[in-house]
Amino acid sequence: RKEVEQDPGPFNVPEGATVAFNCTYSNSASQSFFWYRQDCRKEPKLLMSVYSSGNEDGRFTAQLNRASQYISLLIRDSKLSDSATYLCVVNKASGAGSYQLTFGKGTKLSVIP
Amino acid sequence: NAGVMQNPRHLVRRRGQEARLRCSPMKGHSHVYWYRQLPEEGLKFMVYLQKENIIDESGMPKERFSAEFPKEGPSILRIQQVVRGDSAAYFCASSPQGGNQPQHFGDGTRLSIL
Repeated sequence: RKEVEQDPGPFNVPEGATVAFNCTYSNSASQSFFWYRQDCRKEPKLLMSVYSSGNEDGRFTAQLNRASQYISLLIRDSKLSDSATYLCVVNKASGAGSYQLTFGKGTKLSVIP
Repeated sequence: NAGVMQNPRHLVRRRGQEARLRCSPMKGHSHVYWYRQLPEEGLKFMVYLQKENIIDESGMPKERFSAEFPKEGPSILRIQQVVRGDSAAYFCASSPQGGNQPQHFGDGTRLSIL
């Protein structure tokens, strides 16, 4: 089983739609969680951290369920500029005071006019 | 630009040559991470460094790859005797502290091996 699994998509949605991305992780020792977005041939950019209590940033809502090792991202009222690949990212301790980010392969979103 | 700076943006090498990729972290960040992204794949951790120390190199291939982060100057990822399979995007990230902090990424270096 992969450490971080995401539906690869692509998700093609019309402007204004609500879209949800799901992610599962295998390592129960994982300690922090993030969503990044990556535009084509660009670097990953931090979208938001994910907390157990759930958190919202404008049109974006992230949820974490530690018991089921599941992370979600909801985008409301999607815009053309939301078109990108969304990366589920998990941070875990790897020993000797080190932490590693483990990336999912990403879910590609295309918002269509 | 106070972000993570990587250079060169694009690097072309012939098989057997050496590739040197440079990364200057964000101002105030002393923790540097290198990742590799193969075509159509997710980013894979390679190495984590603090100034003058390699903290975790568990993701680095055992041969031909090395990394350093000297007291002065940028972090360097060095690939000796490159092969076609080394063609990838190499991203550097930095954080102010280690641990659970989010990491901020540079633009990446796209390495192509002829």
